[in-house]
Amino acid sequence: GAGVSQSPRYKVAKRGQDVALRCDPISGHVSLFWYQQALGQGPEFLTYFQNEAQLDKSGLPSDRFFAERPEGSVSTLKIQRTQQEDSAVYLCASSAITNTEAFFGQGTRLTVV
Amino acid sequence: AQSVTQLGSHVSVSEGALVLLRCNYSSSVPPYLFWYVQYPNQGLQLLLKYTSAATLVKGINGFEAEFKKSETSFHLTKPSAHMSDAAEYFCAVSEPGGGADGLTFGKGTHLIIQP
Repeated sequence: GAGVSQSPRYKVAKRGQDVALRCDPISGHVSLFWYQQALGQGPEFLTYFQNEAQLDKSGLPSDRFFAERPEGSVSTLKIQRTQQEDSAVYLCASSAITNTEAFFGQGTRLTVV
Repeated sequence: AQSVTQLGSHVSVSEGALVLLRCNYSSSVPPYLFWYVQYPNQGLQLLLKYTSAATLVKGINGFEAEFKKSETSFHLTKPSAHMSDAAEYFCAVSEPGGGADGLTFGKGTHLIIQP
């Protein structure tokens, strides 16, 4: 596609449920980032992939968060046993190489009830 | 460690007036600096970026920003506000040279345009 695509756009999960958020980056983009944006805040870095390698996961808030990009293209962010504090918009961004322009998807709004 | 401070969570200007959104950064090395705009229920769109070339950077939609190392600032300006400029604006910083830490964002400034 022409841009970064994220699905679903909206997700409501019951507390304790597992969720999986998908990101389709721009074709050929090497770098892929996940960010978490809480209501009224700026995005915060979660994790970074260069092709299939997860080079930085220092921003993942707990071991309930897991991200993968097995073939160096599509990425999935998985959250296990969701908690209310996980409610946020999860943004995916991709770039051709690190520190060139990052293109953002529209995000997935996760609401944990 | 890098950080970004955006002064003013809300800025209100009249249509046709000057827009000034403030951003100050903290970084141990000369950073790359960015301004992004976010419309409701949308992702982030890059307005402009500074990557150690010209200190005055021109972006899309008539916006520009000036990198001032002595003031550690990267304020965003537009000479004449338009109603369509109403949105959330984020200043961000990253390490140059291929750092893998992604972007560090400020908390954002909500720009309100009064008719």
